[in-house]
Amino acid sequence: QKEVEQNSGPLSVPEGAIASLNCTYSDRVSQSFFWYRQYSGKSPELIMSIYSNGDKEDGRFTAQLNKASQYVSLLIRDSQPSDSATYLCAVRWGNTPLVFGKGTRLSVIA
Amino acid sequence: DARVTQTPRDKVTEMGQEVTMRCQPILGHNTVFWYRQTMMQGLELLAYFRNRAPLDDSGMPKDRFSAEMPDATLATLKIQPSEPRDSAVYFCASGSDGTGVTEAFFGQGTRLTVV
Repeated sequence: QKEVEQNSGPLSVPEGAIASLNCTYSDRVSQSFFWYRQYSGKSPELIMSIYSNGDKEDGRFTAQLNKASQYVSLLIRDSQPSDSATYLCAVRWGNTPLVFGKGTRLSVIA
Repeated sequence: DARVTQTPRDKVTEMGQEVTMRCQPILGHNTVFWYRQTMMQGLELLAYFRNRAPLDDSGMPKDRFSAEMPDATLATLKIQPSEPRDSAVYFCASGSDGTGVTEAFFGQGTRLTVV
């Protein structure tokens, strides 16, 4: 059974701080990892993908992958109130469809 | 701009009625997914198509749900008969795995309420 686990939150951070979102997954044999952002009442929106160990940066977002420890994280630097949303971690094993965690709700306090 | 289009956006129906949800994937994408989202379960995969062929519908209640892809521009999800426990947001997503990498892009969803 492939599973993706996330802390449901809410995670509250002050504006300008770094928000750190974590995700663990059940099966070491995995290939692709994705972070989606979902605003309340909206659809999930892809913000980052990462395929190999290490860090991947895109603007204020950094995804970090550690396959040996089976975790992937998302850092949001200089957090803004507009970053307040639910962040979904998704994992793809081989050619299977994405398996999603239940998401972490982030609240950035102005 | 390219996007996944779902209709209807909202649907309220009475228990026992048939519900049909439609999805137009992004042009050129060869994979289509149907997910259901609830507060309790999060995003659950219902069905998965590649090149219009159904590959995985193990997450779908077979007695009442059916998913089809009559052509490359249309995917449908039907519930018959609908039940109150089917109330959820249903998302269609599409992707392209020709290169072995699949990111899924989501439609706006259909919010279904069965009363």
